[in-house]
Amino acid sequence: GAVVSQHPSRVICKSGTSVKIECRSLDFQATTMFWYRQFPKQSLMLMATSNEGSKATYEQGVEKDKFLINHASLTLSTLTVTSAHPEDSSFYICSARDLSPTGEKLFFGSGTQLSVL
Amino acid sequence: GQNIDQPTEMTATEGAIVQINCTYQTSGFNGLFWYQQHAGEAPTFLSYNVLDGLEEKGRFSSFLSRSKGYSYLLLKELQMKDSASYLCAVSGSWGKLQFGAGTQVVVTP
Repeated sequence: GAVVSQHPSRVICKSGTSVKIECRSLDFQATTMFWYRQFPKQSLMLMATSNEGSKATYEQGVEKDKFLINHASLTLSTLTVTSAHPEDSSFYICSARDLSPTGEKLFFGSGTQLSVL
Repeated sequence: GQNIDQPTEMTATEGAIVQINCTYQTSGFNGLFWYQQHAGEAPTFLSYNVLDGLEEKGRFSSFLSRSKGYSYLLLKELQMKDSASYLCAVSGSWGKLQFGAGTQVVVTP
């Protein structure tokens, strides 16, 4: 089946640095990818919708200048957490939308655990 | 507003059946998903309902009533490995998924 690869799986960084997370659809083209954030014991919260070739659409309350999203190709979207702070420590998950002939499916990456010291 | 409600936690014994209910009020509806999530891992797909009725897939079944804004996930013949969080998610406009808070299922011996 379709697979979404997310990298890195875990990152520890110092406060003030930037971290880039990659999300790749491995065997299908994803014109739309989604980025979620999940704090411990809470549900996934949609941060933004990443559209290939155009600007991302951010959910209310998500700072677009802090969470930079680039969807430069049909198989790759990146999320960059700029000037990370401890409160940005969270589990970040991407998902990719596969509009196959059998119907729309959504596949998740394996997630990235970000810890900001 | 948009709202997805599901119980916080349920406990059941190995071999038993557990039903996790989900009620939703969302703007736009393009289907309802159930995902399983183990701690520290990404969600894995369990089921998708877009029409009313019951979808059965092995030990897991999912039911949808669009008029009532209601779904349930039924887990049969519970196994210890089924201990996890189960997330109800509604696909609204533009394919965006809105998730419920998740139901933590604890399976005891």
